[in-house]
Amino acid sequence: DGGITQSPKYLFRKEGQNVTLSCEQNLNHDAMYWYRQDPGQGLRLIYYSQIVNDFQKGDIAEGYSVSREKKESFPLTVTSAQKNPTAFYLCASSVIAGGGSYNEQFFGPGTRLTVL
Amino acid sequence: KQEVTQIPAALSVPEGENLVLNCSFTDSAIYNLQWFRQDPGKGLTSLLLIQSSQREQTSGRLNASLDKSSGRSTLYIAASQPGDSATYLCAVNGWANNLFFGTGTRLTVIP
Repeated sequence: DGGITQSPKYLFRKEGQNVTLSCEQNLNHDAMYWYRQDPGQGLRLIYYSQIVNDFQKGDIAEGYSVSREKKESFPLTVTSAQKNPTAFYLCASSVIAGGGSYNEQFFGPGTRLTVL
Repeated sequence: KQEVTQIPAALSVPEGENLVLNCSFTDSAIYNLQWFRQDPGKGLTSLLLIQSSQREQTSGRLNASLDKSSGRSTLYIAASQPGDSATYLCAVNGWANNLFFGTGTRLTVIP
C-alpha cells in the first residue's frame, strides 16, 4: 500500500528544545518537500529535496534543518532558533520528470507541533 | 513572487446545489495548477491537476478550468453533498516543483 507517512501525529515541545518530525514515502518518488501551515494562511515551503543528499531552502527555512540520506526519508528538525514553531507541518513527494514537466505532489497526514 | 488568491474564503450551500470556487494567480508563467481538498486536522488530498497546456480537467462531479493568460482557475462541483464539506486549496507550480498555495475556501454543504 503506497503512500506517505508522517510521525508523530501530535508533538509537544518545550521552549529551547529541538524536535525531529519524520516523513517516509514508499512511492519511489525522487522529490520530497516540507510545508508549514498556519491558521488563515496558505501552506509555505520550508525545504525541498530533488535527490538524495541534496536539498534546498524554501521561503521560510530559518530555524529548520533537514537531511536526505535515503530516497524514502526526509526528516525535518525544528530547532530552538525557530521563534514560533507551533504549526501544522505537512510533508509531500512527487516524481521528478525530465524536460521541466511537473508532477503531482502527494501529501502525508501531517504533524501538529505545539510549543509549551 | 507568485501570489495566489481564493474567493470566497467561506461558502455555505444547501445540498444538491452546483457551486464554483475561484482561484487567481499573479504570474501566468506556470507549469500547472493543482486543486486539493483538506479535511480538518488532516493532510491534503489531490483532486485535479491541470497542465499549463490544458483548459480543463474533470473527475466525477468535479471540473476544474484554467485560463492561464488571465491568471484564473475555477473548480466546479456539481450536485453538492454533505461529504463535500472541507477546505479547498488551489496551488500553482513555480520553480523546481515548488507549489504556491492560496489560503483556501471553506465549504459547508448543509443537508
